[in-house]
Amino acid sequence: DAKTTQPTSMDCAEGRAANLPCNHSTISGNEYVYWYRQIHSQGPQYIIHGLKNNETNEMASLIITEDRKSSTLILPHATLRDTAVYYCIVRAQITNNAGNMLTFGGGTRLMVKP
Amino acid sequence: DGGITQSPKYLFRKEGQNVTLSCEQNLNHDAMYWYRQDPGQGLRLIYYSQIVNDFQKGDIAEGYSVSREKKESFPLTVTSAQKNPTAFYLCASSIRFRGNQPQHFGDGTRLSIL
Repeated sequence: DAKTTQPTSMDCAEGRAANLPCNHSTISGNEYVYWYRQIHSQGPQYIIHGLKNNETNEMASLIITEDRKSSTLILPHATLRDTAVYYCIVRAQITNNAGNMLTFGGGTRLMVKP
Repeated sequence: DGGITQSPKYLFRKEGQNVTLSCEQNLNHDAMYWYRQDPGQGLRLIYYSQIVNDFQKGDIAEGYSVSREKKESFPLTVTSAQKNPTAFYLCASSIRFRGNQPQHFGDGTRLSIL
């Protein structure tokens, strides 16, 4: 699976959009981009994933560059409850019986401030 | 609401004791997983199950055991052979093992040694 690089921390004002970047310059053609977040002492929460098209759901939007070497997770109107560590993961579609482990890197600690 | 329920939230183990962590899902997912998360670190895969009555070892299976007798349940036993069991244990599930569908997590069980 490709390695990802994310900023260690970011701040965002409550009510504003939070834009979290992720670099994955070694991504392969069959690898998807997944975003999770983890609030302290809770399990990771799935947010969104995509291959090459931009994706949007009720939680966020995922913008993937045309060359797929980077992506941005957008929380359109950040609230205090969005304060968490956000993980960008790149992983290939599973096609065999090998372990289906998720590998979390350091992530970005997003602090939403009033 | 559909989801993954882990219990108990906190668990204490005495030396030489086996303890069992519960994981139940009502998402009708075929695949289930157990991870361990240590402070400041990512996830490590302990065991996974692609379908009922099946399970395979992950990267750190020594000292752990599982069963998958029902689709909705995947309990993890931490045996006395696991010498460093203090950690945050996370159960996850996905619609299928293969493919690109995301894993969804429970809220974890924090295990400590008395």
